[in-house]
Amino acid sequence: GESVGLHLPTLSVQEGDNSIINCAYSNSASDYFIWYKQESGKGPQFIIDIRSNMDKRQGQRVTVLLNKTVKHLSLQIAATQPGDSAVYFCAERVGNEKLTFGTGTRLTIIP
Amino acid sequence: GAVVSQHPSRVICKSGTSVKIECRSLDFQATTMFWYRQFPKQSLMLMATSNEGSKATYEQGVEKDKFLINHASLTLSTLTVTSAHPEDSSFYICSAPRGSGYGYTFGSGTRLTVV
Repeated sequence: GESVGLHLPTLSVQEGDNSIINCAYSNSASDYFIWYKQESGKGPQFIIDIRSNMDKRQGQRVTVLLNKTVKHLSLQIAATQPGDSAVYFCAERVGNEKLTFGTGTRLTIIP
Repeated sequence: GAVVSQHPSRVICKSGTSVKIECRSLDFQATTMFWYRQFPKQSLMLMATSNEGSKATYEQGVEKDKFLINHASLTLSTLTVTSAHPEDSSFYICSAPRGSGYGYTFGSGTRLTVV
């Protein structure tokens, strides 16, 4: 799996542009994936999820893509807004309900 | 629906004392509760899984005698940090599966500061 470091990867995007956040997951047996948004001092907030039998799922302004061949997950946010600034985590589940979180990416929207 | 209420949101305690964190499922029955710890600028790390009516399962490296977990009812799970030390200062978060097979509900987190 991904190592947990002291510095989160960062991504800065101009307001109104699209952003893509990537995640490499560790277990080929993972059957369910979730993207979470976390603001400072708060718990994770659900954004979108996808099951392993799908490769794409769309929500409101968000799209998740799953590539099982290379164990890669991405979150696309369209027309970013200042309120999208946060840390984004991917999480994977292997069968038994336990979620494992990725390292996280800090997204900053530039006005 | 599917709300988990976590208290307290912030707590400051002295070294050597114990602190209890509660997570209550308000509108559903949580037979399982996951407890995470998050250090600044890091990801959520699973500490333990509590199951109603049985002993908790701890992740490797987590001291079960230090982090006491109780899940005595279908709506309440507690984490007690015993003999707290400054290195236990962290953000603690609970999470419960919604029971549909997909989806999890997270508490709002507890910021623990040990002085």
